[in-house]
Amino acid sequence: DTAVSQTPKYLVTQMGNDKSIKCEQNLGHDTMYWYKQDSKKFLKIMFSYNNKELIINETVPNRFSPKSPDKAHLNLHINSLELGDSAVYFCASSPWDNSQPQHFGDGTRLSIL
Amino acid sequence: AQSVTQPDIHITVSEGASLELRCNYSYGATPYLFWYVQSPGQGLQLLLKYFSGDTLVQGIKGFEAEFKRSQSSFNLRKPSVHWSDAAEYFCAVGSTGNQFYFGTGTSLTVIP
Repeated sequence: DTAVSQTPKYLVTQMGNDKSIKCEQNLGHDTMYWYKQDSKKFLKIMFSYNNKELIINETVPNRFSPKSPDKAHLNLHINSLELGDSAVYFCASSPWDNSQPQHFGDGTRLSIL
Repeated sequence: AQSVTQPDIHITVSEGASLELRCNYSYGATPYLFWYVQSPGQGLQLLLKYFSGDTLVQGIKGFEAEFKRSQSSFNLRKPSVHWSDAAEYFCAVGSTGNQFYFGTGTSLTVIP
């Protein structure tokens, strides 16, 4: 009964392709996030949504477009993939309360050939 | 500006030895602090959190952390490390607008 689930777990594709990663949470949380983790394990926030409204939109190439159809889902679409996009992408969710922890998915490992 | 510093990139300890992972934060108000663990191929899992009250916080897997306001620190400790504790550890602070600031992580190796 996974709390935050992302698909796919692995994604191998060629430069220039367009791909999507899906995320769903069944915790009833209001807020969802996308993080990028590079090879040095550094976690960088990309986006956050609260009740389908974009809250955080860090300096991310506009090739990355999040979409939140409802508060339980936050998908990430990436256009024209580049080598530098290779990383692990984590989805997370939390209540709208910064005293409460985030719950993370298991990540999607994206490899660009 | 809010930030979190984990000074140790990598730590190696022997199984059964004690462990302390350092975390320093920069935050104007009373911080909400978290420690997460990331095992290989997994997402981050919450070990413990602090938001008020007792400055010594107990977490899962035998971990504890102590909040020291005077030192702006929230160090994670475990009295006796097990081989299964080998992982990446992240300290984080929760800020307004549900922004969370993570440290760069500390990689723990446990040797038999």
